[in-house]
Amino acid sequence: NAGVTQTPKFRVLKTGQSMTLLCAQDMNHEYMYWYRQDPGMGLRLIHYSVGEGTTAKGEVPDGYNVSRLKKQNFLLGLESAAPSQTSVYFCASSFWAGDTQYFGPGTRLTVL
Amino acid sequence: GENVEQHPSTLSVQEGDSAVIKCTYSDSASNYFPWYKQELGKGPQLIIDIRSNVGEKKDQRIAVTLNKTAKHFSLHITETQPEDSAVYFCAASQQAGNMLTFGGGTRLMVKP
Repeated sequence: NAGVTQTPKFRVLKTGQSMTLLCAQDMNHEYMYWYRQDPGMGLRLIHYSVGEGTTAKGEVPDGYNVSRLKKQNFLLGLESAAPSQTSVYFCASSFWAGDTQYFGPGTRLTVL
Repeated sequence: GENVEQHPSTLSVQEGDSAVIKCTYSDSASNYFPWYKQELGKGPQLIIDIRSNVGEKKDQRIAVTLNKTAKHFSLHITETQPEDSAVYFCAASQQAGNMLTFGGGTRLMVKP
Protein backbone atom coordinates (compact mmCIF):
# COMPACT_ATOMS: atom_id res chain seq x y z
CA ASN A 1 0.00 0.00 0.00
CA ALA A 2 1.23 3.48 -0.86
CA GLY A 3 -0.71 5.03 2.03
CA VAL A 4 -1.30 8.75 1.48
CA THR A 5 0.36 10.38 -1.51
CA GLN A 6 0.45 14.04 -2.53
CA THR A 7 1.26 15.73 -5.81
CA PRO A 8 3.13 17.86 -6.54
CA LYS A 9 5.95 17.86 -3.96
CA PHE A 10 7.02 21.43 -4.72
CA ARG A 11 5.40 24.33 -6.53
CA VAL A 12 6.17 28.00 -7.09
CA LEU A 13 3.32 30.33 -8.06
CA LYS A 14 3.02 33.99 -8.82
CA THR A 15 0.45 36.06 -6.96
CA GLY A 16 -2.96 35.62 -8.55
CA GLN A 17 -2.25 32.27 -10.18
CA SER A 18 -4.37 29.22 -9.42
CA MET A 19 -3.45 25.63 -8.74
CA THR A 20 -4.79 22.35 -7.41
CA LEU A 21 -3.08 20.01 -4.97
CA LEU A 22 -4.00 16.35 -5.22
CA CYS A 23 -4.18 13.90 -2.32
CA ALA A 24 -4.80 10.19 -2.80
CA GLN A 25 -5.18 7.39 -0.26
CA ASP A 26 -5.49 3.66 -0.80
CA MET A 27 -6.63 2.66 2.70
CA ASN A 28 -10.37 3.03 2.04
CA HIS A 29 -10.59 5.79 4.65
CA GLU A 30 -13.79 7.78 4.97
CA TYR A 31 -12.24 10.95 6.41
CA MET A 32 -9.70 13.13 4.65
CA TYR A 33 -8.10 16.40 5.75
CA TRP A 34 -6.00 19.26 4.46
CA TYR A 35 -3.63 21.07 6.86
CA ARG A 36 -1.12 23.85 6.44
CA GLN A 37 2.05 24.14 8.47
CA ASP A 38 3.97 27.40 8.65
CA PRO A 39 7.55 27.68 9.94
CA GLY A 40 7.74 27.11 13.67
CA MET A 41 4.04 26.49 13.90
CA GLY A 42 1.76 23.56 14.33
CA LEU A 43 -0.83 22.05 12.03
CA ARG A 44 -3.85 24.15 11.10
CA LEU A 45 -6.87 22.46 9.56
CA ILE A 46 -8.03 24.05 6.30
CA HIS A 47 -10.88 21.78 5.14
CA TYR A 48 -11.93 18.22 5.70
CA SER A 49 -14.29 15.61 4.27
CA VAL A 50 -16.33 12.98 6.07
CA GLY A 51 -17.00 10.95 2.96
CA GLU A 52 -17.27 10.96 -0.82
CA GLY A 53 -19.12 14.05 -2.03
CA THR A 54 -18.86 15.93 1.29
CA THR A 55 -16.63 18.79 2.44
CA ALA A 56 -16.51 21.03 5.50
CA LYS A 57 -14.54 24.07 6.68
CA GLY A 58 -11.77 23.81 9.19
CA GLU A 59 -9.91 26.44 11.17
CA VAL A 60 -8.43 28.45 8.25
CA PRO A 61 -10.59 27.88 5.12
CA ASP A 62 -10.44 31.33 3.50
CA GLY A 63 -8.81 31.40 0.07
CA TYR A 64 -9.10 27.64 -0.44
CA ASN A 65 -11.66 25.30 -1.98
CA VAL A 66 -11.85 21.51 -1.88
CA SER A 67 -13.59 18.67 -3.63
CA ARG A 68 -14.05 14.97 -2.87
CA LEU A 69 -15.54 13.48 -6.03
CA LYS A 70 -14.01 10.06 -5.37
CA LYS A 71 -13.52 8.42 -1.98
CA GLN A 72 -9.80 7.99 -2.50
CA ASN A 73 -9.05 11.54 -3.67
CA PHE A 74 -9.23 14.93 -1.96
CA LEU A 75 -8.33 18.04 -3.95
CA LEU A 76 -7.28 21.40 -2.53
CA GLY A 77 -7.62 24.42 -4.80
CA LEU A 78 -6.21 27.92 -4.62
CA GLU A 79 -8.19 30.18 -6.95
CA SER A 80 -6.00 33.28 -6.64
CA ALA A 81 -2.79 32.59 -4.77
CA ALA A 82 -1.44 35.12 -2.28
CA PRO A 83 2.00 35.31 -0.59
CA SER A 84 0.26 34.53 2.72
CA GLN A 85 -0.49 31.07 1.32
CA THR A 86 3.19 30.21 1.16
CA SER A 87 3.34 27.14 3.38
CA VAL A 88 3.74 23.38 3.54
CA TYR A 89 0.48 21.57 2.91
CA PHE A 90 -0.25 18.15 4.36
CA CYS A 91 -3.06 15.81 3.51
CA ALA A 92 -4.21 13.16 5.98
CA SER A 93 -6.86 10.44 6.17
CA SER A 94 -8.52 8.29 8.83
CA PHE A 95 -11.21 5.65 9.14
CA TRP A 96 -13.33 7.60 11.62
CA ALA A 97 -13.49 11.13 13.00
CA GLY A 98 -11.37 10.58 16.10
CA ASP A 99 -9.19 7.77 14.79
CA THR A 100 -5.49 7.85 13.95
CA GLN A 101 -4.69 10.11 11.03
CA TYR A 102 -2.18 9.03 8.39
CA PHE A 103 -0.29 11.87 6.75
CA GLY A 104 1.14 12.34 3.29
CA PRO A 105 4.68 13.66 2.65
CA GLY A 106 3.59 17.25 2.08
CA THR A 107 3.64 19.86 -0.69
CA ARG A 108 5.89 22.88 -0.31
CA LEU A 109 4.19 25.86 -1.96
CA THR A 110 5.83 29.24 -2.49
CA VAL A 111 3.79 32.20 -3.73
CA LEU A 112 5.87 35.09 -5.03
CA GLY B 1 -14.55 21.87 21.75
CA GLU B 2 -11.33 20.16 22.73
CA ASN B 3 -8.21 22.22 23.47
CA VAL B 4 -4.77 20.60 23.69
CA GLU B 5 -1.75 22.41 25.10
CA GLN B 6 1.76 21.02 24.70
CA HIS B 7 4.94 21.89 26.61
CA PRO B 8 7.73 22.66 26.14
CA SER B 9 7.81 24.12 22.64
CA THR B 10 11.53 23.32 22.35
CA LEU B 11 13.61 20.79 24.25
CA SER B 12 17.34 20.19 24.01
CA VAL B 13 18.92 17.14 25.63
CA GLN B 14 22.26 15.40 25.56
CA GLU B 15 22.46 12.07 23.77
CA GLY B 16 21.65 9.29 26.21
CA ASP B 17 19.51 11.47 28.47
CA SER B 18 15.73 11.16 28.78
CA ALA B 19 13.20 13.55 27.27
CA VAL B 20 9.68 14.24 28.50
CA ILE B 21 6.96 16.14 26.63
CA LYS B 22 3.68 16.97 28.35
CA CYS B 23 0.20 17.69 27.04
CA THR B 24 -3.00 18.75 28.76
CA TYR B 25 -6.49 18.44 27.31
CA SER B 26 -9.77 20.09 28.20
CA ASP B 27 -12.53 17.64 27.22
CA SER B 28 -13.02 14.94 29.85
CA ALA B 29 -14.79 12.81 27.22
CA SER B 30 -11.60 12.41 25.18
CA ASN B 31 -10.43 8.81 25.17
CA TYR B 32 -7.76 8.50 22.49
CA PHE B 33 -4.30 10.10 22.67
CA PRO B 34 -1.80 9.54 19.82
CA TRP B 35 1.70 10.94 19.48
CA TYR B 36 3.27 11.84 16.15
CA LYS B 37 6.87 12.39 15.12
CA GLN B 38 7.68 14.72 12.24
CA GLU B 39 11.16 14.50 10.81
CA LEU B 40 12.56 17.33 8.73
CA GLY B 41 10.88 17.55 5.34
CA LYS B 42 8.38 14.78 6.06
CA GLY B 43 4.80 14.40 7.22
CA PRO B 44 3.91 13.52 10.82
CA GLN B 45 3.99 9.79 11.55
CA LEU B 46 2.24 7.98 14.40
CA ILE B 47 4.76 6.60 16.90
CA ILE B 48 2.59 5.53 19.83
CA ASP B 49 -0.94 5.96 21.09
CA ILE B 50 -2.89 5.27 24.25
CA ARG B 51 -6.55 4.83 25.03
CA SER B 52 -8.21 5.93 28.24
CA ASN B 53 -8.65 2.43 29.61
CA VAL B 54 -4.89 2.15 30.32
CA GLY B 55 -2.53 4.38 32.25
CA GLU B 56 0.75 3.60 30.51
CA LYS B 57 2.03 2.06 27.30
CA LYS B 58 5.60 1.28 26.27
CA ASP B 59 7.30 0.51 23.00
CA GLN B 60 11.04 0.01 23.35
CA ARG B 61 12.52 3.41 24.26
CA ILE B 62 9.27 5.37 24.14
CA ALA B 63 6.40 5.35 26.60
CA VAL B 64 3.24 7.33 27.11
CA THR B 65 1.48 7.91 30.42
CA LEU B 66 -2.06 9.14 30.94
CA ASN B 67 -3.63 10.78 33.99
CA LYS B 68 -7.35 11.04 33.29
CA THR B 69 -8.12 12.78 36.55
CA ALA B 70 -5.70 15.60 35.86
CA LYS B 71 -6.39 15.46 32.10
CA HIS B 72 -2.79 15.26 31.03
CA PHE B 73 -0.61 12.78 29.19
CA SER B 74 3.12 12.63 28.55
CA LEU B 75 5.62 11.16 26.11
CA HIS B 76 8.82 9.75 27.59
CA ILE B 77 11.85 8.94 25.45
CA THR B 78 14.73 7.18 27.20
CA GLU B 79 18.34 6.84 26.04
CA THR B 80 17.84 9.53 23.42
CA GLN B 81 19.72 9.29 20.14
CA PRO B 82 20.42 11.93 17.48
CA GLU B 83 17.79 10.31 15.23
CA ASP B 84 15.17 11.17 17.85
CA SER B 85 15.62 14.83 16.87
CA ALA B 86 12.31 15.90 15.34
CA VAL B 87 9.08 17.76 16.05
CA TYR B 88 6.64 15.80 18.20
CA PHE B 89 2.88 16.41 18.26
CA CYS B 90 0.36 15.14 20.78
CA ALA B 91 -3.35 14.90 19.99
CA ALA B 92 -6.63 14.00 21.66
CA SER B 93 -10.08 12.91 20.54
CA GLN B 94 -13.20 10.99 21.37
CA GLN B 95 -12.33 8.10 19.09
CA ALA B 96 -15.90 7.51 18.01
CA GLY B 97 -16.78 11.19 18.02
CA ASN B 98 -14.83 14.35 17.31
CA MET B 99 -11.77 14.70 15.14
CA LEU B 100 -8.27 14.75 16.57
CA THR B 101 -7.17 18.05 18.12
CA PHE B 102 -3.41 18.55 17.90
CA GLY B 103 -1.07 20.23 20.34
CA GLY B 104 1.27 22.96 19.11
CA GLY B 105 4.31 20.69 18.78
CA THR B 106 7.66 20.28 20.54
CA ARG B 107 10.97 20.56 18.73
CA LEU B 108 13.33 18.02 20.31
CA MET B 109 17.05 18.39 19.68
CA VAL B 110 19.38 15.62 20.79
CA LYS B 111 22.99 16.78 20.97
CA PRO B 112 25.67 14.16 20.29
